[in-house]
Amino acid sequence: DIVLAQSPATLSLSPGERATLSCRASQSVSNYLAWYQQKPGQAPRLLIYDASNRATGIPARFSGSGSGTDFTLTISSLEPEDFAVYYCQQRSKGGTFGQGTKLEIK
Amino acid sequence: QVQLEQSGSELKKPGASVKVSCKASGYTFTSYALNWVRQAPGQGLEWMGWINTNTGNPTYAQGFTGRFVFSLDTSVSTAYLQISSLKADDAAVYYCARGMQIPGRSYYFYYMDVWGKGTTGTVSS
Repeated sequence: DIVLAQSPATLSLSPGERATLSCRASQSVSNYLAWYQQKPGQAPRLLIYDASNRATGIPARFSGSGSGTDFTLTISSLEPEDFAVYYCQQRSKGGTFGQGTKLEIK
Repeated sequence: QVQLEQSGSELKKPGASVKVSCKASGYTFTSYALNWVRQAPGQGLEWMGWINTNTGNPTYAQGFTGRFVFSLDTSVSTAYLQISSLKADDAAVYYCARGMQIPGRSYYFYYMDVWGKGTTGTVSS
């Protein structure tokens, strides 16, 4: 099984700051990685697929990069609505998720 | 609009069974795979597997074999998740989610672009 490790577990930032979230795979997943956002009481929302492609309707402040085992989700300038939990997911073998990073207001 | 409507919350006793439904609308049901995802209270997302809505063939993730069954009724554009012999640690929110599709490309169905609101399952005696 491919294990995805996300870091940090919690990230405390202020609106307007830049957020950098990491996801590391236990083996190469090529670029087969997605990012999701989940707010309390809501279903997740697909943000990025295949490491760097924004899903439909996702603002340009969200960007993804990486390949192989190391991936990054960057939010260029945080808006109040961006504070949420973020998950990475791989599709190289099955569809496992990382454990999540909570982005909280500082 | 494209949406997945899930059945309501369930309260079951240990050892019982439960069947969660997920009704699709706004798109051709059999053209997109359907994934199931579990989220235990305060925990992260677990991919349970997916079902091919064209053939009805299910694929289960490790840890979700035996007691978990994915099924379909394509006549009403509905997918089902049945869990038998319920245990306390089956208590969770269960989501259905449509697999993404990119024309001419394969295996994008693991990415989930439309989600139901989730069905909360509680297991208690």
